[in-house]
Amino acid sequence: DGGITQSPKYLFRKEGQNVTLSCEQNLNHDAMYWYRQDPGQGLRLIYYSQIVNDFQKGDIAEGYSVSREKKESFPLTVTSAQKNPTAFYLCASSIGPGYYEQYFGPGTRLTVT
Amino acid sequence: KNEVEQSPQNLTAQEGEFITINCSYSVGISALHWLQQHPGGGIVSLFMLSSGKKKHGRLIATINIQEKHSSLHITASHPRDSAVYICAVNKWGGNQFYFGTGTSLTVIP
Repeated sequence: DGGITQSPKYLFRKEGQNVTLSCEQNLNHDAMYWYRQDPGQGLRLIYYSQIVNDFQKGDIAEGYSVSREKKESFPLTVTSAQKNPTAFYLCASSIGPGYYEQYFGPGTRLTVT
Repeated sequence: KNEVEQSPQNLTAQEGEFITINCSYSVGISALHWLQQHPGGGIVSLFMLSSGKKKHGRLIATINIQEKHSSLHITASHPRDSAVYICAVNKWGGNQFYFGTGTSLTVIP
């Protein structure tokens, strides 16, 4: 089955710790995205990558970092510099950037206390 | 001001009713997308539109490029349609989606 997987579904961390969220796709898509979803707000773009070894900041990149060493994988690290890290994080991929339909993973709910 | 506005924010309907969700946007776009988010959080793409109208089962999506407006219609609504419906647009020449805040639909049996 082709698709996007995110793990874990729920993640709990203490304040001050970095945490890495996993995103893997086997759709052979070039573009991958990380979004954050907060109650009452639309999805907001954290980072996106159009191709391996390249990524761009989105609207709310501060306190986050990413890597794209393999086409299939786009992990997101939430650093201790992120002021309000508790949120629902969604990964997506598409054939190419921009116009194309995006396919979403099931999401990771991160709680930092 | 958000570039994508949806209305209503919340909607409750009786099973069988015809439902309309609206989306207005303020920028030039290359495409508009309707997405469905179930209570568990996963998001599924329903439609991608650049003009006209598309139909899939009981779902119909329309777009008016001149008026910068799109509607999602659900005919003969069913409790399994209960979800959050999200409108998103691709700006001309851009690589990103811009999302509305979603419409939370509850269909009561």
